[in-house]
Amino acid sequence: GESVGLHLPTLSVQEGDNSIINCAYSNSASDYFIWYKQESGKGPQFIIDIRSNMDKRQGQRVTVLLNKTVKHLSLQIAATQPGDSAVYFCAENYNNNDMRFGAGTRLTVKP
Amino acid sequence: SAVISQKPSRDICQRGTSLTIQCQVDSQVTMMFWYRQQPGQSLTLIATANQGSEATYESGFVIDKFPISRPNLTFSTLTVSNMSPEDSSIYLCSVIPARGETQYFGPGTRLLVL
Repeated sequence: GESVGLHLPTLSVQEGDNSIINCAYSNSASDYFIWYKQESGKGPQFIIDIRSNMDKRQGQRVTVLLNKTVKHLSLQIAATQPGDSAVYFCAENYNNNDMRFGAGTRLTVKP
Repeated sequence: SAVISQKPSRDICQRGTSLTIQCQVDSQVTMMFWYRQQPGQSLTLIATANQGSEATYESGFVIDKFPISRPNLTFSTLTVSNMSPEDSSIYLCSVIPARGETQYFGPGTRLLVL
């Protein structure tokens, strides 16, 4: 069946560098996407979302890019900080709140 | 957004027993969900908790094992019945607030079954 997946299971970056976390989806009917951050021992925390009628959305230090042509979603974190270390999940909501989560990418920020 | 609390935050249980997890939201929400997250894994939807009616279960999950209640728009419970070590996991409550579409998560309940 169609699913959401991630290209990289782990990502290690130097503090201050930019991070890019990628996600591929296969369901062209998906119209809403969310990125979550999950720190150790906590529940997933909403970071940013984007609708399918947009290709870019910016938040505080984060940017989500959506490329519907190749069904690709990415999360960019600017000036990565140690507090950004976590597992990041993408999720797609394509039909009446039927949300599917990717496998997750563990981001480690090295001081 | 919504502020979601879960009780207990963690528990260690003996096999064969049952545990009921509570989820309380600070505002009325249209939808409530229960997820399971096994160690190092992504989130798997167990069921959608429907107010005043039976929950809608995903494939692989059954009411006898995971009975769910939702008596009102701000509260739900998930029971993990007749537990085995394979039920050791994090159980997460999730909600969609009224007039919204974004799903928010509670802090989770960490369950260890011995």
